[in-house]
Amino acid sequence: GAGVSQSPSNKVTEKGKDVELRCDPISGHTALYWYRQRLGQGLEFLIYFQGNSAPDKSGLPSDRFSAERTGESVSTLTIQRTQQEDSAVYLCASSLTGGLSYEQYFGPGTRLTVT
Amino acid sequence: GENVEQHPSTLSVQEGDSAVIKCTYSDSASNYFPWYKQELGKRPQLIIDIRSNVGEKKDQRIAVTLNKTAKHFSLHITETQPEDSAVYFCAASIGDYKLSFGAGTTVTVRA
Repeated sequence: GAGVSQSPSNKVTEKGKDVELRCDPISGHTALYWYRQRLGQGLEFLIYFQGNSAPDKSGLPSDRFSAERTGESVSTLTIQRTQQEDSAVYLCASSLTGGLSYEQYFGPGTRLTVT
Repeated sequence: GENVEQHPSTLSVQEGDSAVIKCTYSDSASNYFPWYKQELGKRPQLIIDIRSNVGEKKDQRIAVTLNKTAKHFSLHITETQPEDSAVYFCAASIGDYKLSFGAGTTVTVRA
């Protein structure tokens, strides 16, 4: 079946502009994660959605970052007033349910470049 | 919070030799330790994982060992092949649903 998809695959934006990144999880997966991957570094947890529970936003680096998810479907990550340090690959992952009993399946990522 | 250290950052091996990557973690409550492989320009994929109730797990040429007392775990790849060339990430669980990732090891298998 279809895997996790993300759009756009690449985004170049000017410093100070807002960007919106989209994630389509695997159908039926109730848990969704956003990660940031800076060049040469590991994955950094940003936010976690599980069903209709309140999201865990503890990884968002500043109030310029926000994310939404409608039910158990699409999620969007919004970065306002982008800064050069926001340049990274943003990865989305989904899993069948919450917790770590099920594998996280990753999307291809969105490469964000802030000039 | 959890801190995962991963070594080495780069590893070059001759085809057919073994590769070993080591990770340490700080949170004694961590109980789940997955390994991901990320080929150039592609998404991370789970290759093997281990939970704290076992000390070793093997899947064909890949094995993972866990020492909970010392808080370290390792990935072993035997009989390396060119397709094993990739970046490998270890991770340790934080609470019920989060993972803390190491910085990654770039493995190059020389033909």
